[in-house]
Amino acid sequence: RKEVEQDPGPFNVPEGATVAFNCTYSNSASQSFFWYRQDCRKEPKLLMSVYSSGNEDGRFTAQLNRASQYISLLIRDSKLSDSATYLCVVNIYNYGQNFVFGPGTRLSVLP
Amino acid sequence: DGGITQSPKYLFRKEGQNVTLSCEQNLNHDAMYWYRQDPGQGLRLIYYSQIVNDFQKGDIAEGYSVSREKKESFPLTVTSAQKNPTAFYLCASSIDQGATGYTFGSGTRLTVV
Repeated sequence: RKEVEQDPGPFNVPEGATVAFNCTYSNSASQSFFWYRQDCRKEPKLLMSVYSSGNEDGRFTAQLNRASQYISLLIRDSKLSDSATYLCVVNIYNYGQNFVFGPGTRLSVLP
Repeated sequence: DGGITQSPKYLFRKEGQNVTLSCEQNLNHDAMYWYRQDPGQGLRLIYYSQIVNDFQKGDIAEGYSVSREKKESFPLTVTSAQKNPTAFYLCASSIDQGATGYTFGSGTRLTVV
């Protein structure tokens, strides 16, 4: 079983749609969680951290369920500019290679 | 502005040649990392360094070497032993073992010709 798994994608949605991405992780010692966005042929950029209580940043909402080892990202009112690959990232303290990246889910928002 | 600078942006390597990718940061971060990304795939860790003069192998270190002589610099050498080096290479750094996330450089795209 892979350490971090994501919806395989790609997701093709019309502008204005709501889309949700799911991510599961296998290491219960995981301490912090993130969603990164990666545009084609560019570096990943931090979209948002994910907190146990859930957090929202504009049209983006992230949720964490530690008991189920599950993370989600909800994008409301999708824009063309949201088209990218979304990476789920888990940080495990006390491990040298702290960050474990999921394979990513590609989103295409269509006009 | 603080950040991570990777150079060159594009690099072409001939068969049997060693090449070095540069990564410099002025964020005062202790930890630095090198990742490799192949088309349509996730990031895989090559090497990481949590402190000057110390570094550790990641998941795919074979055919690569690094040094960490200065806090700001973490160059990666792709040696001739790396049989399939064509990929997108990303350098990252963090201040707190990643507790608040990593910062990435803009990457180097290496192609074997």
